[in-house]
Amino acid sequence: GQQVMQIPQYQHVQEGEDFTTYCNSSTTLSNIQWYKQRPGGHPVFLIQLVKSGEVKKQKRLTFQFGEAKKNSSLHITATQTTDVGTYFCAGPSRGSYIPTFGRGTSLIVHP
Amino acid sequence: AAGVIQSPRHLIKEKRETATLKCYPIPRHDTVYWYQQGPGQDPQFLISFYEKMQSDKGSIPDRFSAQQFSDYHSELNMSSLELGDSALYFCASSLGGRDPRYNEQFFGPGTRLTVL
Repeated sequence: GQQVMQIPQYQHVQEGEDFTTYCNSSTTLSNIQWYKQRPGGHPVFLIQLVKSGEVKKQKRLTFQFGEAKKNSSLHITATQTTDVGTYFCAGPSRGSYIPTFGRGTSLIVHP
Repeated sequence: AAGVIQSPRHLIKEKRETATLKCYPIPRHDTVYWYQQGPGQDPQFLISFYEKMQSDKGSIPDRFSAQQFSDYHSELNMSSLELGDSALYFCASSLGGRDPRYNEQFFGPGTRLTVL
């Protein structure tokens, strides 16, 4: 079955440093979605990328979808303590409507 | 804006008991998903409904069943509970569940189930 891998599993940064998490799927994806889950909270939808090579920005967050639609990345510039949480990528393989979640990357920001 | 509502928020049960979790999706959303999330784990897809019909099944145990009603709310029924069923159970809904451009999911706050 489809597998979605995310690295790193954990990332400690000092406030103000940049952060990147990478997502790789074993199959071609119809789209890639990114979610953020704060400790004790629920996943919150951040963004969805659909087109090959697509890049989208949300303030300090930059999302990329690979040309082959099998990988994606999330980059945060100048992290803040409010960025703390686990970032999940999720994507359905072609022919499916159900996104498979990656294991997530937990971001810890030290003030 | 209305969000996904789940009840109860917390539930404590004994082994071998049954539990029913409820989900009220965002109005006009056509797809409902159920997920199970263990501590430090990613959400594991259990089952989904598209326009009140079961559409996909994931890693849902045979002891669990779910349905979606005419008012679009959904219930996850869990029987013969085991210690390993202790987890957060999320319901999510989406608009345009069959269209990859619009199937982003909106999650409810979750139900924390503890089986003793």
